[in-house]
Amino acid sequence: NAGVTQTPKFRVLKTGQSMTLLCAQDMNHEYMYWYRQDPGMGLRLIHYSVGEGTTAKGEVPDGYNVSRLKKQNFLLGLESAAPSQTSVYFCASSRVSDEQFFGPGTRLTVL
Amino acid sequence: AQSVAQPEDQVNVAEGNPLTVKCTYSVSGNPYLFWYVQYPNRGLQFLLKYITGDNLVKGSYGFEAEFNKSQTSFHLKKPSALVSDSALYFCAVRAATDSWGKLQFGAGTQVVVTP
Repeated sequence: NAGVTQTPKFRVLKTGQSMTLLCAQDMNHEYMYWYRQDPGMGLRLIHYSVGEGTTAKGEVPDGYNVSRLKKQNFLLGLESAAPSQTSVYFCASSRVSDEQFFGPGTRLTVL
Repeated sequence: AQSVAQPEDQVNVAEGNPLTVKCTYSVSGNPYLFWYVQYPNRGLQFLLKYITGDNLVKGSYGFEAEFNKSQTSFHLKKPSALVSDSALYFCAVRAATDSWGKLQFGAGTQVVVTP
């Protein structure tokens, strides 16, 4: 039981490049979330999904897109990376009213 | 809109002394409240939650938290701190009526426990 895994762990991009972050969970959770963590700002919700094929915008969705084609996977895409997207990205999953389980994070630097 | 305030950026405590990390919240209706801990270069780990029932909630690693509805607070406590408790602590809230389970996190409190 691996819980929540994220790939890659680290990535450096140049401005304008694109990339996809992958989140996978093996707990059969319906709900999945993408957050970004910046110093002094806690975690802010980017996008979330309440089931396969359904996604919604969170607090800071601009510049990001997501897809949930399979229940266990939740992808976060950056179409044209900007330095403001330099951050640590966390994926989480949960059942409805239970605590969220977090992945180990992806550290992204955009130059 | 929901919000969480963690008024202290950092809490310093000597090993063996009591540890308190403060959290106040604002939410429409009844709250679901959570505490998470983050060690360096790691993801967040769940410590405890309040959903309903007893106002004193016990969690992992000897931590507990008390829900106070009148003061809209959910302070995290540990009777005797360990050096290994040094980490970043986050309080989070969601409305009980939010069927999407979206959490609002506080900015975090760095706990430093000195030997």
